[in-house]
Amino acid sequence: QKEVEQNSGPLSVPEGAIASLNCTYSDRGSQSFFWYRQYSGKSPELIMFIYSNGDKEDGRFTAQLNKASQYVSLLIRDSQPSDSATYLCAVTNRGSSGSARQLTFGSGTQLTVLP
Amino acid sequence: NAGVTQTPKFQVLKTGQSMTLQCAQDMNHNSMYWYRQDPGMGLRLIYYSASEGTTDKGEVPNGYNVSRLNKREFSLRLESAAPSQTSVYFCASSEILGGTFSNQPQHFGDGTRLSIL
Repeated sequence: QKEVEQNSGPLSVPEGAIASLNCTYSDRGSQSFFWYRQYSGKSPELIMFIYSNGDKEDGRFTAQLNKASQYVSLLIRDSQPSDSATYLCAVTNRGSSGSARQLTFGSGTQLTVLP
Repeated sequence: NAGVTQTPKFQVLKTGQSMTLQCAQDMNHNSMYWYRQDPGMGLRLIYYSASEGTTDKGEVPNGYNVSRLNKREFSLRLESAAPSQTSVYFCASSEILGGTFSNQPQHFGDGTRLSIL
């Protein structure tokens, strides 16, 4: 079982709609959760991070975390064609020394926003 | 502000050849990482260096070695390249602030696209 699971998609939404991206993780000790956006042929860029249960909003993006359910999601409101990319969920894991210094990535969800 | 710089951007090798991928960051971060990204598999950690002078294996270390040359630089070496190592390699860095948990995001370089024939 992969430690971080995402639906690979592709997920298609019309312009202006809400895109919902989901991620589950297996390590209950995970402390930090990140969403990265990756355009084709480019490097991942950080969109949001969340540490506490609940919602965190930043512009059109909202990250939601539920540690009891081991579930983190990303909502993109008023989706734009420029949001078309692969979205990677990443979760911190404990390193071999016991400190959480590693990120484990999901395989990503490909999002297409249709004009 | 360069951030994380990787060289080279592209490389083609023959099986059995060796090469070193270079990475440098100018953000004064303590931690640096090497990942590989294959189609449909996301990013997988090869090696990381939590701080200058330390290195640790990640998920897929076999066939690779690393050197944390100083706080800025972290290199990845393929001693005898194999076709299975054809991939896109990303270097990243982050800060670790106190305590035992790293809550800081990682910043990525532009990647090295490596093909091994």
